[in-house]
Amino acid sequence: QVQLVQSGAEVKKPGSSVKVSCKASGGTFSSDALSWVRQAPGQGLEWMGGIIPIFGTPDYAQKFQGRVKITADESTTTAYLELSSLRYEDTAVYFCARDQKGFDFWGQGTLVTVSS
Amino acid sequence: EIVLTQSPGTLSLSPGERATLSCRASQTVSSNYLAWYQQKPGQAPRLLIYGASGRATGIPDRFSGSGSGTDFTLTISRLEPEDFAVYYCQQYGTSLYTFGQGTKLEIK
Repeated sequence: QVQLVQSGAEVKKPGSSVKVSCKASGGTFSSDALSWVRQAPGQGLEWMGGIIPIFGTPDYAQKFQGRVKITADESTTTAYLELSSLRYEDTAVYFCARDQKGFDFWGQGTLVTVSS
Repeated sequence: EIVLTQSPGTLSLSPGERATLSCRASQTVSSNYLAWYQQKPGQAPRLLIYGASGRATGIPDRFSGSGSGTDFTLTISRLEPEDFAVYYCQQYGTSLYTFGQGTKLEIK
């Protein structure tokens, strides 16, 4: 059974950066595609980008190009999402999800609050 | 980027009734790589349907998906109380995935 465990909640100031982690177990990390999805309060789901660790080259949604960085460490089976130049509207729950015929396993979500 | 438009925005039905949710794409979804998710408050989404009509592991057979090209449908044949939630479609036919805005299924 695949498990994705994310890092804890963060409070950040506008203009700063945040890095969220997603520790995977039970699957084949290197070849499993993994995506990041966010959900602002009361809003819908928004795909941010994804990566296949063995290939290492991520894809990013156009909206986040230049501000987002997705990486994966095969030695620790952990994926990371880094978002820079944070704005108040980046306040959201950030999810990682395994991408295999749809997003079949999800992390528990990480709340990132941007506040001065 | 493929834009997905879901309708209706809100659907009010009673337990036992049939629910039909629509997802329309701005261009053809390659290989019908269209998924449906259910989300309840405070929870991560749950995969229901992949490849437009494949039922994910453990999903009851009252959930079914259909459609191809640009028009897709999620049908819940007989609503149970636990089915009232928000439903999202998602396309993964290109390297840049997108979600629809969601349909809220509420108890009438």
